[in-house]
Amino acid sequence: NAGVTQTPKFQVLKTGQSMTLQCAQDMNHEYMSWYRQDPGMGLRLIHYSVGAGITDQGEVPNGYNVSRSTTEDFPLRLLSAAPSQTSVYFCASSSGAGWGEKLFFGSGTQLSVL
Amino acid sequence: SQELEQSPQSLIVQEGKNLTINCTSSKTLYGLYWYKQKYGEGLIFLMMLQKGGEEKSHEKITAKLDEKKQQSSLHITASQPSHAGIYLCGADMGDFNKFYFGSGTKLNVKP
Repeated sequence: NAGVTQTPKFQVLKTGQSMTLQCAQDMNHEYMSWYRQDPGMGLRLIHYSVGAGITDQGEVPNGYNVSRSTTEDFPLRLLSAAPSQTSVYFCASSSGAGWGEKLFFGSGTQLSVL
Repeated sequence: SQELEQSPQSLIVQEGKNLTINCTSSKTLYGLYWYKQKYGEGLIFLMMLQKGGEEKSHEKITAKLDEKKQQSSLHITASQPSHAGIYLCGADMGDFNKFYFGSGTKLNVKP
């Protein structure tokens, strides 16, 4: 049982480059979300989705795009990377109600933008 | 997030000592969750509290939610090196589909 799978684990980008962070879950969860973790700031919600075809903004959405074409996948796109986007990114999924208990996290992607 | 204040930011304790981590909100907490993160890894769910005055324990970790449902504490008894990591509180504060996290407490336990 893979749970939530994130790729890549590490990535270095130059300013202005684009890339997609991949997230896939095999638990048939409707709710998926992306967080970034910065020192002293905990986890901040970037975007979330409550089902295929439905996405919405979180706390810090600027500079990121998402789409949800299938229940399993929820990729996060950086169209033009900036140094301020250097962070650790986590994808999470949940079956729905009671978010916290059922939030399953991926192992994270460490992104550096030079 | 600023909605959840967590303290202290970091903690170094000698093995065998007790410690407490606090999580405070200015809003009512509909659900308060504690997670542990080992360095370089994802988050692992520890406990969830929903009712005012609720207390839950698992092995040497006890979490409490106050009667007003605005403050929670995580207490570790007789700490061990395996307790080291980052502890985060997360909360459902009534914003539909949004879940907030505190800034985390970095715990080191010296053998």
